[in-house]
Amino acid sequence: GAGVSQSPSNKVTEKGKDVELRCDPISGHTALYWYRQRLGQGLEFLIYFQGNSAPDKSGLPSDRFSAERTGESVSTLTIQRTQQEDSAVYLCASSFSRGKNIQYFGAGTRLSVL
Amino acid sequence: ILNVEQSPQSLHVQEGDSTNFTCSFPSSNFYALHWYRWETAKSPEALFVMTLNGDEKKKGRISATLNTKEGYSYLYIKGSQPEDSATYLCASPPGDSSASKIIFGSGTRLSIRP
Repeated sequence: GAGVSQSPSNKVTEKGKDVELRCDPISGHTALYWYRQRLGQGLEFLIYFQGNSAPDKSGLPSDRFSAERTGESVSTLTIQRTQQEDSAVYLCASSFSRGKNIQYFGAGTRLSVL
Repeated sequence: ILNVEQSPQSLHVQEGDSTNFTCSFPSSNFYALHWYRWETAKSPEALFVMTLNGDEKKKGRISATLNTKEGYSYLYIKGSQPEDSATYLCASPPGDSSASKIIFGSGTRLSIRP
């Protein structure tokens, strides 16, 4: 596709349910990032993939959060047993490689946990 | 710990006036400095990636400078227009090759008064 695609664009779920957020990066981009922005706060780094591996998962806020990437393409961010504090906009970005290359962001998934 | 800080937090500028704001980052272990513009209801959009001390980049009425020795970057907007209203984010990935976190500042929210 022409840009980074994220789905769903909006997700409303009940506390305790699991959710999966999907990111389809720009073709050929080896680096993929997940961020979130909670209401009134800045952009918070969650995890980074180089290819299919995630060298550093320490940005994930708890063990309820996990992410994977397959085929150096699509990535899924899974939140288990969602809590109200997980409500946020989850943004995905991709770039040719880490660090010096600009990141292209998707439109985000707005997650609301009731 | 890498801290990226931006000031001011918010700024109100009269249309036609020029303005600037600051991003500061630890000067040790510098790797790159990114600037993004984030308009309401849209995705963050890259403005510049800067790597060398003394770098100056320009895109239309927007320009940026970089001082890696003292750890700051300035973003300048000349002749502000209403479409410049957005949150401006800077980000810096640490130079440590074992680290993958990309740290964003909390942003400068710019509002242009017509």
